[in-house]
Amino acid sequence: AQSVTQPDIHITVSEGASLELRCNYSYGATPYLFWYVQSPGQGLQLLLKYFSGDTLVQGIKGFEAEFKRSQSSFNLRKPSVHWSDAAEYFCAVASRGGYQKVTFGTGTKLQVIP
Amino acid sequence: DAGVIQSPRHEVTEMGQEVTLRCKPISGHDYLFWYRQTMMRGLELLIYFNNNVPIDDSGMPEDRFSAKMPNASFSTLKIQPSEPRDSAVYFCASRHRDFEGETQYFGPGTRLLVL
Repeated sequence: AQSVTQPDIHITVSEGASLELRCNYSYGATPYLFWYVQSPGQGLQLLLKYFSGDTLVQGIKGFEAEFKRSQSSFNLRKPSVHWSDAAEYFCAVASRGGYQKVTFGTGTKLQVIP
Repeated sequence: DAGVIQSPRHEVTEMGQEVTLRCKPISGHDYLFWYRQTMMRGLELLIYFNNNVPIDDSGMPEDRFSAKMPNASFSTLKIQPSEPRDSAVYFCASRHRDFEGETQYFGPGTRLLVL
């Protein structure tokens, strides 16, 4: 069965600092991979996704993620964090073929300090 | 497109009352999902539909929960009778087929509080 691990429950960074949120997955092959962001009181918004091709994926709001097959990872990065990036971030994995069941990680809550 | 629409956005009810949550998926999407989000359990898939037909309801916690999708543009999730432990945020999502894969798009959620 597929699974997703986000090892960091809570991360605090200073505004302007770089950010990396970790995501590891377990799946028998290369899955589809997603990052979603949830601002307080809001729904989940898709930041970016990886289906195939270039392993460095660009998303909205200046985020990017890199798929590393050898490490079963799909870490999210941003070179300079803004206060408005404070939110909860969810990594998700979907199987290929058929229904493409999606499994979400437990989320990483990002706090940005001035 | 307006995105996935959910109503109500907030619901406060008393234990034992019936609660109905509503969802309008994005036009043209053929899958619809209901999720529940709590601090303790995170994001859980309750049920999903394909072309208005329920495919997998194994995530529905118990018989008090039921979901319907009478047409491609409307779905309901009903809890009867409601209990305090049902308090959560309920999300509806619909799915779009990209060139290779499929992406789920979420509504803003319904925040349910059962007293």
